[in-house]
Amino acid sequence: QKEVEQDPGPLSVPEGAIVSLNCTYSNSAFQYFMWYRQYSRKGPELLMYTYSSGNKEDGRFTAQVDKSSKYISLFIRDSQPSDSATYLCAMRADTGGFKTIFGAGTRLFVKA
Amino acid sequence: DAGITQSPRHKVTETGTPVTLRCHQTENHRYMYWYRQDPGHGLRLIHYSYGVKDTDKGEVSDGYSVSRSKTEDFLLTLESATSSQTSVYFCAIRDKERNTGELFFGEGSRLTVL
Repeated sequence: QKEVEQDPGPLSVPEGAIVSLNCTYSNSAFQYFMWYRQYSRKGPELLMYTYSSGNKEDGRFTAQVDKSSKYISLFIRDSQPSDSATYLCAMRADTGGFKTIFGAGTRLFVKA
Repeated sequence: DAGITQSPRHKVTETGTPVTLRCHQTENHRYMYWYRQDPGHGLRLIHYSYGVKDTDKGEVSDGYSVSRSKTEDFLLTLESATSSQTSVYFCAIRDKERNTGELFFGEGSRLTVL
């Protein structure tokens, strides 16, 4: 079983829809939770970062972490065609060389 | 811009040949990482470095070696390439200035082993 599970999609939604992306994990030592966005043929870029449990909002993006359920989510409001990309969840513990473990990534298409 | 350059960006090679990928950074970051990205697997850590001559294995290190003789360069070597090593390879650095431990990635090196 992988440490981090993420549905690879693809997920196709109309412009303006609310998008929900999710990951589950098995390692209770994970404390830092991140979402990276990757456009085609580019390297991933950090989109959202959360420490421990809770919510974090940044514009149209909201990240949620539920450590009791080992479940994290990313919500995108008013989705735009420019949001079409692969979204990778990522997480790491406090120790161990700052090794970050990634999910498989969910491919999102937002149709105009 | 984290000043990361990967080379070569594209390479086609044959099974059994050695291959070296180079990651070069210009901002004196201590931590550097090599990941591979494959459909359905996301990014998987191959090796990482926490300083000159200090390296450690990641989750998929078999068949790969690394070296870091200078702060700015982190080399990934496939001693004898196999078709299963066809992948996109990403180098990343950890930004020491940010408590998030945010990773900045290079543009990737696409390797095809025939």
